[in-house]
Amino acid sequence: DIVMTQSPDSLAVSLGERATINCKSSQNVLYSSNNKNYLAWYQQKPGQPPKLLVYWASTRESGVPDRFSGSGSGTDFTLTISSLQAEDVAIYYCQQYYSIPYTFGQGTKLEIE
Amino acid sequence: EVHLVESGGGLVQPGGSLRLSCAASGFTFSSYAMSWVRQAPGKGLEWVSDISGGGAGSYHADSVEGRFTISRDNSRNTLFLQMNSLRAEDTAVYFCAREGAYDMGWYFDYWGQGILVTVSS
Repeated sequence: DIVMTQSPDSLAVSLGERATINCKSSQNVLYSSNNKNYLAWYQQKPGQPPKLLVYWASTRESGVPDRFSGSGSGTDFTLTISSLQAEDVAIYYCQQYYSIPYTFGQGTKLEIE
Repeated sequence: EVHLVESGGGLVQPGGSLRLSCAASGFTFSSYAMSWVRQAPGKGLEWVSDISGGGAGSYHADSVEGRFTISRDNSRNTLFLQMNSLRAEDTAVYFCAREGAYDMGWYFDYWGQGILVTVSS
């Protein structure tokens, strides 16, 4: 199984500041035949289902604010929120869909400082 | 607008069975693979099972293999999860989620609100 490890486990950032969440996979999730990284990011607020933010490591889902961006390739990935808003308080998960079983990181709790 | 609505959850004794359903609307159901993902209370996300758009292919996590079976009825736009031999560690909110394409192995672009399954005596 591919193990996904996020860092940090929790993060407090001031409003308007940058937030950076890292995700490392235990195996490469870049599929060489199409040069796509099978890595997604989700946001989950209390009492709600997860919401897709980014897929293919860097493609923003329709309707997601452009302050959210994904980067990285192979085994190391980053989700960046360029200017933190109050509504961004949530738990963020990375997920690989390169191979079965699909696996998620443990989550990063983002709070306002 | 895509809607996924789970039903069938509740309290069940260890060793018992439940069948979850997920009613889909707002898209061509048979054109998309579907998954079940669960979240134990206060914990992270765990993928459980998925099934291709036509229903011919499916996979299950090792933790539920042999106990859970995913299926779908494309004529009724409904996804199912038959859960047998339930254990306390199966207690979780179960989400159905749409995958990004017909074949399995995509991100989850839409999620239901989830349904709670509690396994306890």
